[in-house]
Amino acid sequence: AQRVTQPEKLLSVFKGAPVELKCNYSYSGSPELFWYVQYSRQRLQLLLRHISRESIKGFTADLNKGETSFHLKKPFAQEEDSAMYYCALLNAGGTSYGKLTFGQGTILTVHP
Amino acid sequence: ETGVTQSPTHLIKTRGQQVTLRCSSQSGHNTVSWYQQALGQGPQFIFQYYREEENGRGNFPPRFSGLQFPNYSSELNVNALELDDSALYLCASSLLGRLRKSTEAFFGQGTRLTVV
Repeated sequence: AQRVTQPEKLLSVFKGAPVELKCNYSYSGSPELFWYVQYSRQRLQLLLRHISRESIKGFTADLNKGETSFHLKKPFAQEEDSAMYYCALLNAGGTSYGKLTFGQGTILTVHP
Repeated sequence: ETGVTQSPTHLIKTRGQQVTLRCSSQSGHNTVSWYQQALGQGPQFIFQYYREEENGRGNFPPRFSGLQFPNYSSELNVNALELDDSALYLCASSLLGRLRKSTEAFFGQGTRLTVV
């Protein structure tokens, strides 16, 4: 069964500090992974997907198949980065095709 | 281009009742997925609809059912409501194309269901 684990429920950093939100997954096939973000009083939105290999709002995430990880990183955190972050894995086959499996989420707080 | 909209935004029901939640997909999208998000948890996949048929299902009992209409909008129906069904219900739409490749899923703002 596929699973996504975000070990930190809460993460606090100061503005300008580096930030890393951890995500580990288990999946038998070739994974397709995403980071979603939910800012205060806004809907869930896609931040980035690993196949795009792009940097969004200064965030990057590298898929490490050996460690089954997809950690989200930003070298210099900003106060506007404060939000709930979810790591998610797409099921590309079987009876649950199209299913996104989400981690429990990490609340990031960036202090001034 | 319009985004994903859900109705109602809040709802209170009594245990044992039935509820219908609605979702209008984003323009140009043909696939709708429903998720249940309990307090403090990540969203849990309920099912997905594509071309008016269920295209995948998570670990939810049959009293959770759905429909997709020709305009790609969708309904989530829950029968015999239980207290544990209290949650935020999210709808997401996407475009499923050839080779079963899906575009980014866009989420609605959710319906907050409280069962008392």
